[in-house]
Amino acid sequence: QQQVKQSPQSLIVQKGGISIINCAYENTAFDYFPWYQQFPGKGPALLIAIRPDVSEKKEGRFTISFNKSAKQFSLHIMDSQPGDSATYFCAASKIPGGFKTIFGAGTRLFVKA
Amino acid sequence: DTEVTQTPKHLVMGMTNKKSLKCEQHMGHRAMYWYKQKAKKPPELMFVYSYEKLSINESVPSRFSPECPNSSLLNLHLHALQPEDSALYLCASSLGGTGGETQYFGPGTRLLVL
Repeated sequence: QQQVKQSPQSLIVQKGGISIINCAYENTAFDYFPWYQQFPGKGPALLIAIRPDVSEKKEGRFTISFNKSAKQFSLHIMDSQPGDSATYFCAASKIPGGFKTIFGAGTRLFVKA
Repeated sequence: DTEVTQTPKHLVMGMTNKKSLKCEQHMGHRAMYWYKQKAKKPPELMFVYSYEKLSINESVPSRFSPECPNSSLLNLHLHALQPEDSALYLCASSLGGTGGETQYFGPGTRLLVL
């Protein structure tokens, strides 16, 4: 019930293409869904986050789509750039509700120039 | 100041050594976290401090000992570690004392235990 399942494990996209990463959760108590971006040798950094009262949130080239009934959410990276090459983690938590953020397994994205 | 800092960046220690990792934030955040991250894996929660009190210990072996001297500082004391403890140790903080919100991560300390 506490899992967040993330796919794919790795992704190779051409420069300018669209990168799509999917996540599914089980616990309907979750109400905060952040995406973290992590470059090699660095800590994860918040990229974009969504609450379940909206179905989509866009910030620049990054969009989260959220399907509450299916308990799924996804990250779309438009016009993918080599600088987007990183590991992406979806996550879920409850605010307030304790300190445990449940992370997905991660997706390693490589954008080919 | 909107960042979490960690020192040292790299640490090599023997199994009989005692060392400490340090984390600092000046964002007024009330919760601070220690995570362990192995290669190609998500961060794994170890400890959480809320309002300078230990709130969560995820059954971490006693060779790891956390300390929160004040609201801005978090330490992780290491003693008699094993080679399998080699990993990236991440510190994070979040604004409220009740959890769930965005966590702000430091760059981590890369630890190698020989």
